[in-house]
Amino acid sequence: AQSVTQLDSHVSVSEGTPVLLRCNYSSSYSPSLFWYVQHPNKGLQLLLKYTSAATLVKGINGFEAEFKKSETSFHLTKPSAHMSDAAEYFCVVSATDYKLSFGAGTTVTVRA
Amino acid sequence: EAGVTQFPSHSVIEKGQTVTLRCDPISGHDNLYWYRRVMGKEIKFLLHFVKESKQDESGMPNNRFLAERTGGTYSTLKVQPAELEDSGVYFCASSQGTTRTDTQYFGPGTRLTVL
Repeated sequence: AQSVTQLDSHVSVSEGTPVLLRCNYSSSYSPSLFWYVQHPNKGLQLLLKYTSAATLVKGINGFEAEFKKSETSFHLTKPSAHMSDAAEYFCVVSATDYKLSFGAGTTVTVRA
Repeated sequence: EAGVTQFPSHSVIEKGQTVTLRCDPISGHDNLYWYRRVMGKEIKFLLHFVKESKQDESGMPNNRFLAERTGGTYSTLKVQPAELEDSGVYFCASSQGTTRTDTQYFGPGTRLTVL
């Protein structure tokens, strides 16, 4: 069994300040973990993925995430938020096969 | 390279009517998936095709939903008859492989509203 919990349903940050989106997972097997982003009226876009190589994963648009097995976490960060980062973000786990399990999503608002 | 496309982007129908959603995967991707997000809930897996064959329908909610992928290219998802609880966003995704490390590329979704 696998599941994902996104700890914040909504995060609001000021432009230029750091962004932290928290994700905890549960899996019976060594998982692959993904972060997807959905901008309004757009498809789900892959930001980054962890597949058992380096625990610190760098993605597109300055985002990165760190896999911490001891904490079963895969938090997403960005040092400096930009207005274009306003979107909904999904933490996703895949343990044994192609079935993806999604978190509930975190909506990010960026204040000017 | 064209991404995954879905049609229509929005559909509003009345309870009891039929709706067909279409998905065109990335060219060369044998694997095609349907997912659904009902209002206020997580995105959930519906089914998986490998080429034209249904490999896994474990997420399909009931027999009012019928998915096809004729010729192994595009796929359709028909809801007949539609019920109020079918409202949500239907996503299609495609991938080259099916391991847990393969990336699934998603389309923009079809927003279905059943009145």
